[in-house]
Order: sequence, then structure tokens, then C-alpha cells
Amino acid sequence: QQQVKQSPQSLIVQKGGISIINCAYENTAFDYFPWYQQFPGKGPALLIAIRPDVSEKKEGRFTISFNKSAKQFSLHIMDSQPGDSATYFCAASSGGSNYKLTFGKGTLLTVNP
Amino acid sequence: EAGVVQSPRYKIIEKKQPVAFWCNPISGHNTLYWYRQNLGQGPELLIRYENEEAVDDSQLPKDRFSAERLKGVDSTLKIQPAELGDSAVYLCASSESWEQFFGPGTRLTVL
Repeated sequence: QQQVKQSPQSLIVQKGGISIINCAYENTAFDYFPWYQQFPGKGPALLIAIRPDVSEKKEGRFTISFNKSAKQFSLHIMDSQPGDSATYFCAASSGGSNYKLTFGKGTLLTVNP
Repeated sequence: EAGVVQSPRYKIIEKKQPVAFWCNPISGHNTLYWYRQNLGQGPELLIRYENEEAVDDSQLPKDRFSAERLKGVDSTLKIQPAELGDSAVYLCASSESWEQFFGPGTRLTVL
């Protein structure tokens, strides 16, 4: 059972465009939603994260939008650059003593120059 | 600050052979995780340690996988015997709170 569904599987964007990746979750106990960026041959690196008490969080060109009622959250990359080309994973976890991250299947983003 | 260190980076073995992966977490991080990442998939948790204690090993295939974290610092993940389906990237991560920091992983190929 996949608890975090991510789409699209792959995405091609022109330089300067907006990249949008969506995720949906099922477990209402999730209360921490990070996005990870992974380059080939590297481990995932935390990009930005949000808690469900806010609907949006922005850090530079990266924004998370969160819709608690719909159990959906998305990553927006503004002014996409070729260096943003990577695989992006959404994830979710529940709090307390359980920090187990459940990942989506990933989105391969390609930003053309 | 040094990141999570893993070795080896690559390992190729024949099926039924044993293999071990080593992880050195970020200094001061009490929580250590082992994940497996299959090709084209997100990482999946195998085991989580709080100091020396394995607090979540529900996803670890215990018939062939074992892990240890002696002294609450370094950790070793072992597979014995390896199967073809074990080919994957094995990631180690550490944290002191919510944010998990991942190492570069060990890419295992079982022939």
C-alpha cells in the first residue's frame, strides 16, 4: 500500500519556467512533509519542509503548498534552472517518537537551457 | 561539518555471498536509519536506531538481514546470503530531530 502518491513521474521544463510536483497522502497522522532533492550518485538532500499548521512555505525559489483537507501538498520551483535537474521526492512522517519517513516514488525533473 | 559517511560506495557480489555496509553518522546524531532504494523508487526504511537500540526494524527482512550499532555511533548492515532482488542502493541517514541527513549510499549489485 503506497501511502504517499507522487506525480508526475517525469517533468520537462524550460529554463525560467515553473516546475510543479504534486503529492497526496492517506495517513491523517502524518504531520511533517519534507521534499528531498537527489542528484545521480548522491543521497537525498532536504530541500524544504512544512508542517500542517501552515498552508504555504517559501524558501528562495522553492515553495510548498499544503492542503490539509485534500491531503495534498505540492512543490513549486520558480524560475527553474538547468542545475535544478534532479529527482525530487516528497515524503511524510508522523511525530512523537516515530520519525519514519514514507517517500513518494520520485519525479525526474529536467530543465532545458 | 562532515556529513554521513558510507562505505563501500559500490559492491558487486555473486548471489548467496555475504555483504556488509558501514555507516558513520554525523557527530552528535543519536538517531540512525538504514534505507533501501530500488531503482526508480523512493527510499524505504529498513531499520531505525535510537543510540544503540533498534526501535523500528519492522521492515527489515530478518531471515537474511542484520544490523548493529555498537556504542551508539557507527553502524553495520549485513546481508547473508544475498539474493538477486537485493540489488539496490543502501542509504544511511542520521538525525538529531526532524531533519534526516543522508549519506551517498552503497550501490549493491548481486549477480
